[in-house]
Amino acid sequence: DTGVSQDPRHKITKRGQNVTFRCDPISEHNRLYWYRQTLGQGPEFLTYFQNEAQLEKSRLLSDRFSAERPKGSFSTLEIQRTEQGDSAMYLCASSLKTYVDTEAFFGQGTRLTVV
Amino acid sequence: GENVEQHPSTLSVQEGDSAVIKCTYSDSASNYFPWYKQELGKRPQLIIDIRSNVGEKKDQRIAVTLNKTAKHFSLHITETQPEDSAVYFCAASISGNTPLVFGKGTRLSVIA
Repeated sequence: DTGVSQDPRHKITKRGQNVTFRCDPISEHNRLYWYRQTLGQGPEFLTYFQNEAQLEKSRLLSDRFSAERPKGSFSTLEIQRTEQGDSAMYLCASSLKTYVDTEAFFGQGTRLTVV
Repeated sequence: GENVEQHPSTLSVQEGDSAVIKCTYSDSASNYFPWYKQELGKRPQLIIDIRSNVGEKKDQRIAVTLNKTAKHFSLHITETQPEDSAVYFCAASISGNTPLVFGKGTRLSVIA
């Protein structure tokens, strides 16, 4: 297991198109997080899962964003009707939740450019 | 919800000097405070973390201190080296219960 992997690494799309990103966490990790990072900012929380259950979504998250983790393994993040403001790096992270947090490992991210 | 403020946003130090980055948090229930380092074009990686049952933790040239009363924590890097140049992020969470909330980052430049 080489860590958290994300696909694609880069995506350029036209405004109004739908895009889907995939994240494969570290295999034994039960928690999976999606963050968005824009230039000069820290990662901004979007949503997270424990196994297949989506535990929380950011109040700032538009209805155009949806995420799934159908079998508690990989996850997808879909953005519908993309807007230029959606351009950012989308980071996935995973961790093993026991009774405390353990280290969250990040993927390389998917850089989205909406033109 | 939790809010994390981080200062300074940029920091330049001479090689061999120390660097200090400070963060404050708003939710007194937060009890887990990791620090991540992100090099240009790479993923954030954990460098050190601290839980609220301790006030200080060290790992070689890196140390983190926590003041629960004042709700702030700091990263200290001693004997800085050019490879320490990166963006550093602090974060806070209620361990096991809430996702990490990150600060906006500090760009550290170590000048040789």
